[in-house]
Amino acid sequence: SAVISQKPSRDICQRGTSLTIQCQVDSQVTMMFWYRQQPGQSLTLIATANQGSEATYESGFVIDKFPISRPNLTFSTLTVSNMSPEDSSIYLCSVVAGGRDTQYFGPGTRLTVL
Amino acid sequence: GQNIDQPTEMTATEGAIVQINCTYQTSGFNGLFWYQQHAGEAPTFLSYNVLDGLEEKGRFSSFLSRSKGYSYLLLKELQMKDSASYLCAVMTGGGNKLTFGTGTQQKVEL
Repeated sequence: SAVISQKPSRDICQRGTSLTIQCQVDSQVTMMFWYRQQPGQSLTLIATANQGSEATYESGFVIDKFPISRPNLTFSTLTVSNMSPEDSSIYLCSVVAGGRDTQYFGPGTRLTVL
Repeated sequence: GQNIDQPTEMTATEGAIVQINCTYQTSGFNGLFWYQQHAGEAPTFLSYNVLDGLEEKGRFSSFLSRSKGYSYLLLKELQMKDSASYLCAVMTGGGNKLTFGTGTQQKVEL
């Protein structure tokens, strides 16, 4: 598996502002993803973070709202832009590590937008 | 579209055996995962099935039938610490993308 850390672990933000979430992995990984988990819900894939190129977004998610950077094989950032209360969620990064295509999740960032 | 169904909630007593079912209808199939998620924590990997049959790992086992679009997670000798949400996720298409079910909240009582 891989050891994954996220910063910040939680934050409370004002409507209209932006927050950048960092994801750091202790080893080089090819595949890295960003998910959202809204209160009481399951996980929804936002995008695949591609190293050296633009992220691949899922239906319903756009780059202007969720810009993603992936400068190398151990690090990625997700920005939640122009936030509204509907963006209040837990944001998790995940990586494929070890064998058998298994995804491992970071501890998550709990975001509350007022 | 992708559709993955799980029961919302289950309750059992300590020491029991529980089976959490997952049915899926997806465009493509490259494997099925089970994750455990305690409240306020990230999901942790439990099992992976890509071929039909039973995979056993200690107290937890997972079964897959691809022809029926069906999987279950079996928890034996249930313990209080097993109180958690159990998420079924299907990998489809290329790129290791996972689609998650709604999750099953498993409660364990004394």
